[in-house]
Amino acid sequence: KAGVTQTPRYLIKTRGQQVTLSCSPISGHRSVSWYQQTPGQGLQFLFEYFSETQRNKGNFPGRFSGRQFSNSRSEMNVSTLELGDSALYLCASSPGGQGAGEAFFGQGTRLTVV
Amino acid sequence: AQSVTQLDSQVPVFEEAPVELRCNYSSSVSVYLFWYVQYPNQGLQLLLKYLSGSTLVESINGFEAEFNKSQTSFHLRKPSVHISDTAEYFCAVTRQAAGNKLTFGGGTRVLVKP
Repeated sequence: KAGVTQTPRYLIKTRGQQVTLSCSPISGHRSVSWYQQTPGQGLQFLFEYFSETQRNKGNFPGRFSGRQFSNSRSEMNVSTLELGDSALYLCASSPGGQGAGEAFFGQGTRLTVV
Repeated sequence: AQSVTQLDSQVPVFEEAPVELRCNYSSSVSVYLFWYVQYPNQGLQLLLKYLSGSTLVESINGFEAEFNKSQTSFHLRKPSVHISDTAEYFCAVTRQAAGNKLTFGGGTRVLVKP
């Protein structure tokens, strides 16, 4: 069974630009969550999508958005990039349910904003 | 809202010695608890989880954690560590019936010395 695939692995963007990150969950999993990991703030929850609907949302500004497609693949978008958006963005795939299942993480996309 | 506190940011330990990583959580409702491990430049991997039942949970690679409801703790232990256990460990909590939103602690970096 293939794991969670995140693309691209590395990105360098300029302040003010926008970026789209992609996540392909494990086959059959319907829930995709996104997290931001930085040395200063640690792991912070961005949002969760389940069956193409946003089910949970963290405390991030509206510049951070996401969506999920009918095949459960998910994308997150960050507009008007700021230097502080530099981070490792992790995607987690879960069967669905209500938190009792394991979350499988991808290797992440490392975004550097210059 | 839940919160998780990992009391030690770094734990140096000699090979074959025991290690304990401390985790305390706060929540006004029932929760599920997890320990994840992150190796350099990797995503997170689940070590073990507590959902219900026996308060002592074990992983396949020798780690164990004990859920203590009265002390709101979920400490992780291993009786004898290996060099390969060098990694960062994260305690996480999710509220039951709240989707798959995980709240993480700040992480504990374990450095196993020969």
